Amino acid sequence: DIVMTQSPDSLAVSLGERATINCKSSQSVLYSSNNKNYLAWYQQKPGQPPKLLIYWSSTRESGVPDRFSGSGSGTDFSLTISSLQAEDVAVYYCQQYYGTSWTFGQGTKVEIK
Amino acid sequence: QVHLVQSGAEVKKPGASVKVSCKASDNTFKNYGITWVRQAPGEGLEWMGWISGYNGKTNYAQKFQGRATMTTDTSTSTAYMELRSLRSDDTAVYYCAHNSPGLFDYWGQGTLVTVSS
Repeated sequence: DIVMTQSPDSLAVSLGERATINCKSSQSVLYSSNNKNYLAWYQQKPGQPPKLLIYWSSTRESGVPDRFSGSGSGTDFSLTISSLQAEDVAVYYCQQYYGTSWTFGQGTKVEIK
Repeated sequence: QVHLVQSGAEVKKPGASVKVSCKASDNTFKNYGITWVRQAPGEGLEWMGWISGYNGKTNYAQKFQGRATMTTDTSTSTAYMELRSLRSDDTAVYYCAHNSPGLFDYWGQGTLVTVSS
């Protein structure tokens, strides 16, 4: 199975400041035939199911604010919140969907400093 | 938009089985898959496997091979996940999600399964 490792495990950012979460996969999730990275990001708030934010490494799901952006390719990815809002406090997970067995990172908790 | 409604919380004894249901709101159930993800208290997300609503084909995470069974009833647009030989570390919230494919864009509300003697 592809192992997904996120860093840091938690971070505290001031309102309006940038937050960046990193995600590394144990093998490439870039599919050469279509040049797509099979990497998604989810946001989970307490007591709620996860919400899909980004897929194909950098495509925002419909309705997701543009302060959320994803980047990276191959094995190294990042999620950036350009200007942290109070409603962004949550745990964020990366997930690979390459092949037939899918896995999540361990999660990164984002809090307000 | 797909709305998924799961069955209610369960309390089971070690060694027992549990079967969680996930009913989809629309009649396009046959056209997509349902994935199952669990989350132990205070822990992260763990993908368990998925089932095709079209032909019932399944793919399980290696950890759950032989202990989990995913099925569908297309006549009622309902997916099921049965987990056998329950242990205390199976205590978790179990989620179903629309699988599109490999992407989970609509989620059920979650079902808490507690395993306790």
